[in-house]
Parts: sequence; C-alpha cells; structure tokens
Amino acid sequence: KQEVTQIPAALSVPEGENLVLNCSFTDSAIYNLQWFRQDPGKGLTSLLLIQSSQREQTSGRLNASLDKSSGRSTLYIAASQPGDSATYLCAVQPSSGNTPLVFGKGTRLSVIA
Amino acid sequence: SAVISQKPSRDICQRGTSLTIQCQVDSQVTMMFWYRQQPGQSLTLIATANQGSEATYESGFVIDKFPISRPNLTFSTLTVSNLSPEDSSIYLCSARAFSGAETQYFGPGTRLLVL
Repeated sequence: KQEVTQIPAALSVPEGENLVLNCSFTDSAIYNLQWFRQDPGKGLTSLLLIQSSQREQTSGRLNASLDKSSGRSTLYIAASQPGDSATYLCAVQPSSGNTPLVFGKGTRLSVIA
Repeated sequence: SAVISQKPSRDICQRGTSLTIQCQVDSQVTMMFWYRQQPGQSLTLIATANQGSEATYESGFVIDKFPISRPNLTFSTLTVSNLSPEDSSIYLCSARAFSGAETQYFGPGTRLLVL
C-alpha cells in the first residue's frame, strides 16, 4: 500500500530565504506526483505535476524534482515571501486511469516578514 | 485547466438533519472525487463519483451516510446524512481532467459545522 510522508510537518523561515520541502513515498511505481498549496480554510491549488518519466518541473519561483527510484520528491521555493505561507501537500497517483491520489499530511510553511 | 465551484461554501446544521453539497466543473472531466478534511488533518477520500452508476466508496464510508450522485460529466452532489458533530469538516470536490497529464483540481470546499 502506497504511503506518502512529508517532512517537516511545519517550517518557519524569514522572508527571502530559499527553502526545500520534502516528500517521500514507499512504492516507486507511480504514474505521477503532484504538489498542492492549501490556504487556511480553502481548497487546494495545484502547483506542479511531475510525470513518472520526468525529473523536474518549474513554475516561477517553484521547482519540483522527482527521484522515483529512491521514492523522493522535493519542492524548492526560491526567495520566499510572506504570501507563500500556506500548507503544501504532496500527492502521488499510483497508476493511470481510475486510481485516486494518495496524499501526505502536508508541511505548514510560515514566512516571516 | 478545470475550474470547480461548490455550493454552499459553508453551512451550520442541526444534529440529525442532512446537507447536500453541489459540485460543478466548467469542463467535462474523466473522474470526480469527494474528500473530507477534518480540522488540522490531511485529506481523506470518501468516494469516487461515477457517471451514471453508483459511487465507489473507500473503507469506512458507506452509501447510506454519504449518498453521491453524478448525472453527467460536469456535475456531482454529496449528501451527508443524519448529521452528528463528528461530521463537522471541510468537504472538497475534486476532478481529474485528462489533459495528457491527468492534473487533479479541487473546489474551494464546503465548511460544515454540526451543532
């Protein structure tokens, strides 16, 4: 059974720092991996999706990498801003088609001005 | 991308009543899901809403408590029946649009408080 773990559970950094959020999964046979952002009391916003054949994806100040063989993904946030404060969730899709996403518990990020 | 709307955005209900949540997607999608997120917790999948047939429920969730409809490719409803305070949660609708990447999108959520 696929399990997804995110470390750390919470992180507080000063504005301007570069930071890395970690995600690990137990079964390397995944179809894709997706990073989401969730603001308090809100729904999830998709940030980046990495297909199993890809190594990384970039969007603005965000860069997500995938190492399928070791069961790891990282989300790199450059030059953090207070507006980046949110919970970041990692989810894997085990296979194509009807399989639901398996979510980690998230990392709660606070960027202090 | 797919834009998902949910109604209501929040509600306060009395114990023993039911609440029906509507989910509308702005484009045809292959799959729709319903999740629950209890305070301070991650997401728990309730069921996959299947178009024109019965939903597929996850372990611990049953049709009598969480009836789901999906009459077409863009719309689904989740009813939470016989409400108790333990049902107080955020309920999230989600859809997967086959765009070559199978990105999954989420609605803004429905915040339910049961008194």
